[in-house]
Amino acid sequence: QLQLQASGPGLVKPSETLSLTCAVSGDSITSTSHYWGWIRQPPGKELEWIASINYSGSTYYNPSLKSRVAISVDTSKNQFSLKLSSVTAADTAVYYCARTIFGVVPYFDFWGQGTLVTVSS
Amino acid sequence: EIVMTQSPATLSVSPGERATLSCRASRSLRSNLAWYQQKPGQAPRLLIYGASTRATGIPARFSGSGSGTEFSLTISSLQSEDFAIYYCQQYNHWPGTFGQGTKVEIK
Repeated sequence: QLQLQASGPGLVKPSETLSLTCAVSGDSITSTSHYWGWIRQPPGKELEWIASINYSGSTYYNPSLKSRVAISVDTSKNQFSLKLSSVTAADTAVYYCARTIFGVVPYFDFWGQGTLVTVSS
Repeated sequence: EIVMTQSPATLSVSPGERATLSCRASRSLRSNLAWYQQKPGQAPRLLIYGASTRATGIPARFSGSGSGTEFSLTISSLQSEDFAIYYCQQYNHWPGTFGQGTKVEIK
């Protein structure tokens, strides 16, 4: 059974870098059929796709966040990670990791539980 | 950016009744639309993709329809486990955008 578990600090200071990791079990991250990605939902706002990556390191980023985001994959650990730099209060959100179906534009066929990240001093 | 507008914001329905949720796009999506269900404290779950194709394991009481700019999700007979928030997402125009959600609550 596929499971995705996001982990990372729940509190990040303004201007610092938010770092999250998603551990995948029940499927291989080296699957050629899927990408793996991050989506976030700020309180009271819509879901927003952040970035996706495949096993070979091919990446796609939401242009609205691209300058601050880096996504990476570790196939040996079957996990992928997100770094978001120069965070502000606007980056406070629940962050989800998800398996991604990527044609031209991504959608998400399986989601992890989500982790709340608060940006505050 | 494509704006996705869901209506109504809240839908009050009695168990066993039919529920119809709407999603409108600011530009044509062809059929590149997905629906997700989210229950409190849980991750979103993919229900429908391609506007009308049920994802694996999704009960037949969930159906999607529409193309272009107007889409709907119908739950034919609401079960207790269906009370949740439903989101639509377009994946036709980069980078993809979500609606604000419709909450289906018990009447």
